[in-house]
Amino acid sequence: NAGVTQTPKFQVLKTGQSMTLQCAQDMNHNSMYWYRQDPGMGLRLIYYSASEGTTDKGEVPNGYNVSRLNKREFSLRLESAAPSQTSVYFCASSYPPLHFGNGTRLTVT
Amino acid sequence: KNEVEQSPQNLTAQEGEFITINCSYSVGISALHWLQQHPGGGIVSLFMLSSGKKKHGRLIATINIQEKHSSLHITASHPRDSAVYICAVQTSGSRLTFGEGTQLTVNP
Repeated sequence: NAGVTQTPKFQVLKTGQSMTLQCAQDMNHNSMYWYRQDPGMGLRLIYYSASEGTTDKGEVPNGYNVSRLNKREFSLRLESAAPSQTSVYFCASSYPPLHFGNGTRLTVT
Repeated sequence: KNEVEQSPQNLTAQEGEFITINCSYSVGISALHWLQQHPGGGIVSLFMLSSGKKKHGRLIATINIQEKHSSLHITASHPRDSAVYICAVQTSGSRLTFGEGTQLTVNP
């Protein structure tokens, strides 16, 4: 089915470990986004990419890097995970309207 | 003050009631989105508006650009409408800013 595929669904990391969250969309959308969702704070934009090869910082980019290698894929990397990065992460793409992945629940201990 | 404010934060209704959720914003926008987040966590786009009014089934969304205000209405509410409803504004280019969401509970 067409949509946004986000992996993994769950991940537990120790402080200092690194990981990459993968996101792919098959709708030929230009814009892609990474958000984090924390209780009482709503969705906050980490990074976005308006088109292939471009990326821009959002509200909370510190501690993250992104890569838009092609139109389909937009990955989010945590180089050295911290407990403050415990959150639910959502990838989205937009033509518009917005299409969201199912989320990744990340716990950093 | 947040750029996007939603009210109420929590709303409990009885099945069949008419429901209104409000969204006010303080910046110039190119579009406004209404989203629904189910208890399982998945997020679905309901509407994207740049002016006027849109209707889909029992859901109606309106926007007043001059007042910087949008409303989401649900007619004949049903327990399956229980979810978090999120307003998001699209500003320069592709950038989106979200409200904190309104938790709606519809009791049978």
